[in-house]
Amino acid sequence: ETGVTQSPTHLIKTRGQQVTLRCSSQSGHNTVSWYQQALGQGPQFIFQYYREEENGRGNFPPRFSGLQFPNYSSELNVNALELDDSALYLCASSLAQAFSNQPQHFGDGTRLSIL
Amino acid sequence: DAKTTQPTSMDCAEGRAANLPCNHSTISGNEYVYWYRQIHSQGPQYIIHGLKNNETNEMASLIITEDRKSSTLILPHATLRDTAVYYCIVRVSRQLTFGSGTQLTVLP
Repeated sequence: ETGVTQSPTHLIKTRGQQVTLRCSSQSGHNTVSWYQQALGQGPQFIFQYYREEENGRGNFPPRFSGLQFPNYSSELNVNALELDDSALYLCASSLAQAFSNQPQHFGDGTRLSIL
Repeated sequence: DAKTTQPTSMDCAEGRAANLPCNHSTISGNEYVYWYRQIHSQGPQYIIHGLKNNETNEMASLIITEDRKSSTLILPHATLRDTAVYYCIVRVSRQLTFGSGTQLTVLP
């Protein structure tokens, strides 16, 4: 039990729609990272938020965007959904961006299916 | 971040120690070695991490070679619930770069 909670657990959308996924970080953590995990693969880094600003981004197009709120919770928004966006979306929280050796703790993800 | 090489799969008998190897020959001096595991349909679970010295916690031990080019995660008494994909990650940047991991199957 990491204390990182994600909602919803499952979601079905159609191509072209938009989706918002939510994450509450572990108490005391101020950094949130988002990952995409396609079936049978390891998680791929999307981006990280620290102090309400994007603080690093992986190889994902601009239609993937995010927010972090003053309470450190976060949202991942995906516009113009494509079939390849079907995946498990994982949120991970950690303490203090400056100390890169602090481990990230993951939630159990949102399973997004695109029809 | 340096790349890692892990065996695709391993089996271990219940109650025995599980030793999971990882090669990271291009690791640089400030990169940490992290281990996570992922049980089907759950998020990755942090296990342990280290820089140079061997580390131990309630879940596992991490043995890092003196040249830091490889490491071994040790689960001292494997149980059926330890069946999972184990990821070895070398990290210095903000992100974790996951490879394919090792599928550990604990057999009764």
